[in-house]
Order: sequence, then structure tokens, then C-alpha cells
Amino acid sequence: AAGVIQSPRHLIKEKRETATLKCYPIPRHDTVYWYQQGPGQDPQFLISFYEKMQSDKGSIPDRFSAQQFSDYHSELNMSSLELGDSALYFCASSFRTYSEAFFGQGTRLTVV
Amino acid sequence: DQQVKQNSPSLSVQEGRISILNCDYTNSMFDYFLWYKKYPAEGPTFLISISSIKDKNEDGRFTVFLNKSAKHLSLHIVPSQPGDSAVYFCAASPSSGNTPLVFGKGTRLSVIA
Repeated sequence: AAGVIQSPRHLIKEKRETATLKCYPIPRHDTVYWYQQGPGQDPQFLISFYEKMQSDKGSIPDRFSAQQFSDYHSELNMSSLELGDSALYFCASSFRTYSEAFFGQGTRLTVV
Repeated sequence: DQQVKQNSPSLSVQEGRISILNCDYTNSMFDYFLWYKKYPAEGPTFLISISSIKDKNEDGRFTVFLNKSAKHLSLHIVPSQPGDSAVYFCAASPSSGNTPLVFGKGTRLSVIA
């Protein structure tokens, strides 16, 4: 069965650079969530989209932005990267409400 | 303030025995609860969920119990197998709206052969 696809799987960037993470949800899923998991931390919610509109916002820094496109894939854009942005970034998708969110494999971002 | 709490960071269980992972929550708006299993460097994998209209949900070796009055849920794995060794996250959400999941900090389960 198709799963949530995230790309790239690994990314190394220097401080102050920009990174773009992509997420392709499960077909027919209309909701995408982005989570950040630092070392030894629980996943922290960043932002979500439902039907291409931002539906909820968590602890996402102003340096980050995201959008959901017409094909429901989503991109997380991260600018002026800082060392503390090094983390695993997970995308999850679901269909409507009251359903479990399925996660992608994650993108490991390392800022050096 | 942690809305979903998993107070045991780790748990070791012998193969064949029961594993019980606990989770407490504080937000009374939560009425949908999920357990995820996570291996290193992989995304969380959905295991089992329960809504507040039930107090028990079973799927094979996995059973989740919900005690709404105590704001407590638990995941039982029986019998435990070495392949169950992973980090288990409890997550919660209100059922209405596209609200994101709130995760606990996870419990690392080690099943010893």
C-alpha cells in the first residue's frame, strides 16, 4: 500500500542556508501535518494543512513557512538555518478528521 | 506543560510476558487516542487507537484501555516479542476539527529473549 513519502531522507546544510522538505501524502488524504523531533524529544507539532489551507499552527519559527499544493503534497521551507534546527522532520497525512495520521519516514536535517 | 504524559521513559520485559505502557493526559477535550511505535531513524507507525466512547480496543496482541475519569490509557502487549522492542508514543487529539496530535515523550520498550 502507498505510504507517506518524504524527500529527501537526509539533508546537510550550513548555518544561514535554506532548506526545502517535501511531503507526498497517501492518495486521497487531504490533511498534512508537519512535526519536528529533536534528539531525545517527542515529536513537536509545527503546522498543518487541510484542503490546501493552513488549518493549525504550532511551534513553527517565523523563519519557516509551508504550503500545501493542488496535488496535496506539501513543502516545508526553512530559511536562515540555525544549529538548533537539526532534527528529524516528520510529515503525516490523514483523511478528514477522526482518523489516524500516517507518518512518513522523516527527513533528517543536519545543520553544520 | 505536557498535556500527554508518559512517565516511564523505559521498560524491560521478558519475551512471552505482558508489556504494559501507560499514558496520562490533562486536556479534557481529548477524546481520540492513538499509540505509535517507532524504530530509530524511522517515522512513527500507527498501532492502535481508541475513541472516548469505548473503554477498550483490541487488535491481535495489542489492547488499549481507556479510563476517562482518570484521564489514563494503557497499551497492553501480550505476549511480548523481541520485535516489539521500540519506542512507543501515546498521542491524543480532540475528534472534531483537523487538530494535530499531541504526543507524549515516549517509552522505550525492550523485550528480552
